[in-house]
Amino acid sequence: EPEVTQTPSHQVTQMGQEVILRCVPISNHLYFYWYRQILGQKVEFLVSFYNNEISEKSEIFDDQFSVERPDGSNFTLKIRSTKLEDSAMYFCASTESGANEQFFGPGTRLTVL
Amino acid sequence: GQQLNQSPQSMFIQEGEDVSMNCTSSSIFNTWLWYKQEPGEGPVLLIALYKAGELTSNGRLTAQFGITRKDSFLNISASIPSDVGIYFCAGQRAGTSGTYKYIFGTGTRLKVLA
Repeated sequence: EPEVTQTPSHQVTQMGQEVILRCVPISNHLYFYWYRQILGQKVEFLVSFYNNEISEKSEIFDDQFSVERPDGSNFTLKIRSTKLEDSAMYFCASTESGANEQFFGPGTRLTVL
Repeated sequence: GQQLNQSPQSMFIQEGEDVSMNCTSSSIFNTWLWYKQEPGEGPVLLIALYKAGELTSNGRLTAQFGITRKDSFLNISASIPSDVGIYFCAGQRAGTSGTYKYIFGTGTRLKVLA
C-alpha cells in the first residue's frame, strides 16, 4: 500500500542553523501539507501546497519557514534559522484531491539545542 | 482560534471492555475524522465522516457525526492491548485553491490493561 515517507526520522541541530525536512508524498497525490506536533500536544496545521504554490499557511508559518517541491516526488520544509521552540515532530501529509482524507507520514523529530 | 475538545483526556481500561470518547467544537465542520497515533509515529486514519448524523463502522470501531455538526464520538468495542495509543479527532476546514486543513482535537490517551 502506498505511503508517505519522511526523512530523516530524527534531526538534531543547533539554534540558528538551517534545517530541511524531506517528504515523499504518495505518487498520485496533488495536495501537500505540513503539520507540527510539540511533544505532548495536539497536531497543528502549518501550511498547504498545491499547484506549486502555498495555498494557506498558519500563523506559526512565519518568514523562517518555506516549502518547496523541487522535483516530481519530493516536498520539503525548510526552517531558515531554527529556534528552541521549533523542537517538535513535523508531519507531512498528502491527498489526491483537496477534500479527500489526508495521509500522514511517520514524522521527523526535530530537536533544537 | 478554533478548538476541538476531546474527553476524556486519558483512560485506563481492562482488556475486553468497550471504550467511548467524544469530541466537541464551537464551530461547524463538514467532515470529521478520527485518527490514532502510536508513540513516535504519524496519525493513522481510522474513520472519516461526511454527513451530519452519519454512523460509520470500521471493524470494532464505530463513529458518529453529530447532527449539529459540532461533535462526534468514537466507540471501540472489546478493546485489545494493541488499541493503546492517542486518539485524535479532526475537523476539516476548507482553505484556498481547493485545499483543506485539519483542526485536530486535544487527544484521548488510551491505555489497555491486560
